[in-house]
Amino acid sequence: GAGVSQSPSNKVTEKGKDVELRCDPISGHTALYWYRQSLGQGLEFLIYFQGNSAPDKSGLPSDRFSAERTGGSVSTLTIQRTQQEDSAVYLCASSPATTHYEQYFGPGTRLTVT
Amino acid sequence: KQEVTQIPAALSVPEGENLVLNCSFTDSAIYNLQWFRQDPGKGLTSLLLIQSSQREQTSGRLNASLDKSSGRSTLYIAASQPGDSATYLCAVNYGQNFVFGPGTRLSVLP
Repeated sequence: GAGVSQSPSNKVTEKGKDVELRCDPISGHTALYWYRQSLGQGLEFLIYFQGNSAPDKSGLPSDRFSAERTGGSVSTLTIQRTQQEDSAVYLCASSPATTHYEQYFGPGTRLTVT
Repeated sequence: KQEVTQIPAALSVPEGENLVLNCSFTDSAIYNLQWFRQDPGKGLTSLLLIQSSQREQTSGRLNASLDKSSGRSTLYIAASQPGDSATYLCAVNYGQNFVFGPGTRLSVLP
């Protein structure tokens, strides 16, 4: 079956512009996660959605970052007024649930802020 | 604080060797632990998932063990091949969040 997909695969934007990154999870997966991986760094948790519950936003680095998940499926991560330090690969993962199931990752979106 | 570390940070071995990658975590109240590989410029591919009640999982040439009480997991790769070259990440599931280690960069030389 189809895996997790993300779009765009690459995004180059100018400092100060807003960007939207999209994630399509595996159908039926109730949990969805966003992570950021900066060059040479590990994965940094950003935000997590579980079903219709309020998202866990504890990992968002600033109020310029926000995310939503419509209809419990597709998610968009929005970064407002982008800064050069936002340049990274943004990875999305989905899971059938949270506690006992594995995560399945998308290919990521490489964001470059010039 | 929930922290995950991986040793070594990088490893280079000749083809055919057996090798062990290590993952340590500070908070043992885990649900499960997952091992991934990441190829350059790519996303993460799941290798093995070990539930907190399990001691080990095997898939082909890969074997992962878990000692929850001591906060350790190992990934054993038998008869390594050049195609195994990648970065290996462990991720610890604490229910509401996954905490990733920094990874071990493996190079298997032909």
